[in-house]
Amino acid sequence: EPEVTQTPSHQVTQMGQEVILRCVPISNHLYFYWYRQILGQKVEFLVSFYNNEISEKSEIFDDQFSVERPDGSNFTLKIRSTKLEDSAMYFCASSVIRTYEQYFGPGTRLTVT
Amino acid sequence: DQQVKQNSPSLSVQEGRISILNCDYTNSMFDYFLWYKKYPAEGPTFLISISSIKDKNEDGRFTVFLNKSAKHLSLHIVPSQPGDSAVYFCAATQTGTASKLTFGTGTRLQVTL
Repeated sequence: EPEVTQTPSHQVTQMGQEVILRCVPISNHLYFYWYRQILGQKVEFLVSFYNNEISEKSEIFDDQFSVERPDGSNFTLKIRSTKLEDSAMYFCASSVIRTYEQYFGPGTRLTVT
Repeated sequence: DQQVKQNSPSLSVQEGRISILNCDYTNSMFDYFLWYKKYPAEGPTFLISISSIKDKNEDGRFTVFLNKSAKHLSLHIVPSQPGDSAVYFCAATQTGTASKLTFGTGTRLQVTL
């Protein structure tokens, strides 16, 4: 069964450093998303991406964040200058055009020290 | 901004019995609802969904009921199995291009022997 994959599974970085989180969505999916879950809190939407551009973004997704689909398979989330409060699980998800079921990857745990 | 609420943080049910997980929403623009299951250190796994034009959707042991007038939905699991022990998230979206999911805080279900 096709699945969303994410790398790395765990990333530790120092405050102020740039990080890139990588995702490979399911191959025939056209919509891509990033969500995050701070420990003990709910899963929060960050950004959606379709047709090589951002469709929607949340208030969390400020100028420090960017997304890119550099080739036909990868979807990346970049945080330019990490802050302590960026520590969270980051989930990538994808969906096909006509359904609303989003399929999530296993997540990347980002720890900012 | 609690547009989707799951008021029970945890639920314990005996194996073989029915598990009922509840979810309330406040945003009347939501017209599609989903349930996800999440194990520790994994991403949310899609379980079942329902459109606002229906009041019930069934898939095997899982049934979701939607009461639009009360802005309430529930997930029934019958019979409950130990492998069902996980955190269950209710999510809602407004259908349209690249619909973001708004998640509840989750209910931890424990199915005991």
